[in-house]
Parts: sequence; structure tokens; C-alpha cells
Amino acid sequence: DADVTQTPRNRITKTGKRIMLECSQTKGHDRMYWYRQDPGLGLRLIYYSFDVKDINKGEISDGYSVSRQAQAKFSLSLESAIPNQTALYFCATRGGGGPNTEAFFGQGTRLTVV
Amino acid sequence: DAKTTQPNSMESNEEEPVHLPCNHSTISGTDYIHWYRQLPSQGPEYVIHGLTSNVNNRMASLAIAEDRKSSTLILHRATLRDAAVYYCILSTPNTGNQFYFGTGTSLTVIP
Repeated sequence: DADVTQTPRNRITKTGKRIMLECSQTKGHDRMYWYRQDPGLGLRLIYYSFDVKDINKGEISDGYSVSRQAQAKFSLSLESAIPNQTALYFCATRGGGGPNTEAFFGQGTRLTVV
Repeated sequence: DAKTTQPNSMESNEEEPVHLPCNHSTISGTDYIHWYRQLPSQGPEYVIHGLTSNVNNRMASLAIAEDRKSSTLILHRATLRDAAVYYCILSTPNTGNQFYFGTGTSLTVIP
């Protein structure tokens, strides 16, 4: 099994719909992250969480919300999807050893908003 | 945000070494230098990281300048499977340890 699993892998939804992207990890890490990637660009941070009671906004959090249901699960929601939220979304996890730790990424969710 | 600068693209012949440069002139003393790569249609994967000393692992080597304002990722023998976008990232403790990605270097390996 993959260390970080994202579901669904692909999703097409209509403008205005609510959609949830899910992420689970088996690394036992406290830190989890959601990133967005647009074509030809690097990843941009949406939200991050250091434990189930700690949620922080990243650089592009507007239009998104998150839920940390358990140490292993971190969900990203689009309350009312819009076409410019069409992108590739990645979940990541990282150990608590500070900047001296590597991150593990999921395979991504390709979201299309029509 | 701690910034890095990388060339947009590079090419290498298969079986030859590749040196991928990165500039990070605003690096602070506690920032770690990380490298990740992203293969087509996949999530980023860890390659290597270091603080001050050069580092080696089974995938690559990381050479860090003495003043730490630049670093170089070295792939000793490029294979076709190494074709990917390579990201040089600074991991900064004061920003919650999240990574800030640039646009990376797209490496093409020529058979």
C-alpha cells in the first residue's frame, strides 16, 4: 500500500457543487499538507495541519476548507467549486523532526470544474 | 518566503552525469536544502537533503557551496527514468516547515 493515498484520483464536477478530496497516510506522521499544482507551475500550499487540533492556512486558502478527522486523515473541501479551481491536488505528510525531515506525497487528484 | 532559483530546463545524454544547479542567496543558517523530483503524472518524490556538508545517497549527491548560497544536485549516470522536473526547496523552521515550491528544472534525458 502507498504511504499516502488520495481519493478520488480523478473527478469532474460542476460549478457550484461541493466536493471533498480525501487523503490518508500510513506513516504515522503528525504533519499533513494540501497543495495545488497548475499546469507548468510548481506546487502551492493550500492548508497544513500539525495535529488534529491544529489547522493553518497556506498561501492560497481562499475558497477551500479542510478537516483533520484523525492523525491519518486530512480532507480538503471546495464549498462551491469554480472553474479556476481546476488543477492537480496533492496531499503530503511529514514527520515532526523539523526541516530535517523528508515529505511523502500522494499520487494526486486531478479535479476538473466545468 | 525563502526563495530558490533554478534553470527552467536542462538536457543530458543517457549514461552521463547531470549537474542541476540551484541558487538560494537568502538562505538562513537553519534552512535545510531539499531536492524533490516529479515524474510525469506523479506526485513529487524525495531525492536528497542537506544542511552544510555534501550528502550522498543511492539516488544522487548533493554538493553545497561553502557559503550555502548555492547547491548542485548530481545524478551520476542519467537514465531515461530520471526525466522529471527537479525542485530545489528550502525548508525553513520559522514557517511551519512547509515547502515552498518554485517552477523547478525540467530535465530531458536523451537516449
